This record gives sequence, C-alpha cells and structure tokens, in this order.
Amino acid sequence: SQTIHQWPATLVQPVGSPLSLECTVEGTSNPNLYWYRQAAGRGLQLLFYSVGIGQISSEVPQNLSASRPQDRQFILSSKKLLLSDSGFYLCAWSPRGGTDTQYFGPGTRLTVL
Amino acid sequence: EDQVTQSPEALRLQEGESSSLNCSYTVSGLRGLFWYRQDPGKGPEFLFTLYSAGEEKEKERLKATLTKKESFLHITAPKPEDSATYLCAVQGEPGNTGKLIFGQGTTLQVKP
Repeated sequence: SQTIHQWPATLVQPVGSPLSLECTVEGTSNPNLYWYRQAAGRGLQLLFYSVGIGQISSEVPQNLSASRPQDRQFILSSKKLLLSDSGFYLCAWSPRGGTDTQYFGPGTRLTVL
Repeated sequence: EDQVTQSPEALRLQEGESSSLNCSYTVSGLRGLFWYRQDPGKGPEFLFTLYSAGEEKEKERLKATLTKKESFLHITAPKPEDSATYLCAVQGEPGNTGKLIFGQGTTLQVKP
C-alpha cells in the first residue's frame, strides 16, 4: 500500500529565516505530487504541483519554491520567510494515469514569528 | 471561475440524529467531486470521489450524492467519532494540472 510522509510535523521559525519542508511517497512510482497550504479559517490552496522529476508548476506567485529531486520526493522551500507564510502545509499525491483522487500526508504546522 | 461553497459552516448533532451537509459548486466541466474528512491537526482523509450526476457512494454511516450543481454528504445515525471537518473539492476540465478547488468545510460535532 502507499504511504506519504511529511517532516517536520511542526516548525517555528523567525521572519527572514529559510525553510525546507520535505515530502516522500512510498509504494508507488511516477506519482503526481502537490503542495497545498491551509491557513487558519480558510480552505486548502494549491501552491505547486509536479508531474515528474524536475517538473514544477506554480499556482500562486509568492516567496516559496518547490523542487522534485527524486521521483517520490517533493520539497517546499523559501529563502526568507514572511509572517504570512504561517499555516498548515500539506503534501498530496495522485497516481499517474489513474484516478484523479489525491491522497494527503499528515501535514506540517509552520509558525513564523 | 471555479468555486465551491459548503454549508452549514458548523453543525451540532446529537448522537443518532441524521443530517446532511451541502456542497454547491460552479465548475467549467466537472472532472470529479471529492469528499474528505479532516481531524484537527491532521491531513485530510479521502472519503469519496463522484464523477457524474446521479452517482451515489456509501461508506458506513456516510452516503455521498451528486447532482449537476451540488453534492450532499448524508450522515445516518452519527456517532461522536464522526466529529470532524468535512471538506468538499472539485476538479474541472482540463484536468491535466490535477488542481482541486476546495470549499471552506463543514465542522461537525456529534454529542453523545
């Protein structure tokens, strides 16, 4: 069966510091990968998606970036965090060429102070 | 613009009191409608995918239905462990991005 991991689970960072969140998927090959952000009291917002290694598409212009160095690894980064980057970050995967259903990871709670 | 609206925002039920959650959507060509359950501090857990009007799916006390404009999540004889936030999302055409448009969710509390 497939499993999706995210770490860290929680993170408290000062404004202006860098960020690196990691997501890995097990038990599948060539998945589509997604990064979402869920702000308090708001719905999930798609940030990035990837259909393959090195292929990243951005949905929302911001100071965040994403990379996919390996087939089942997805990384969310920032060079300098803003207060507005605080939120719950969720990674998701969907099977390539299969159903469009997306399966979410456990999430990372980021607080920028 | 694709849009999803869920109602009510919050719902309190007594154990055993059946009810329905609503998800109204506007999308240019529905590719799929998805229901998720989210517990506090956790990632959304997949419940159902519906693809066409008239389709219904069931899982334990939950039943999801779909029309051309909305979806309902019916909860029959709920138990306290059904307490969670229920999220609805749609995917429109073209589907090559896989982008899901989420509603704000309905927070359900079931009291014993």
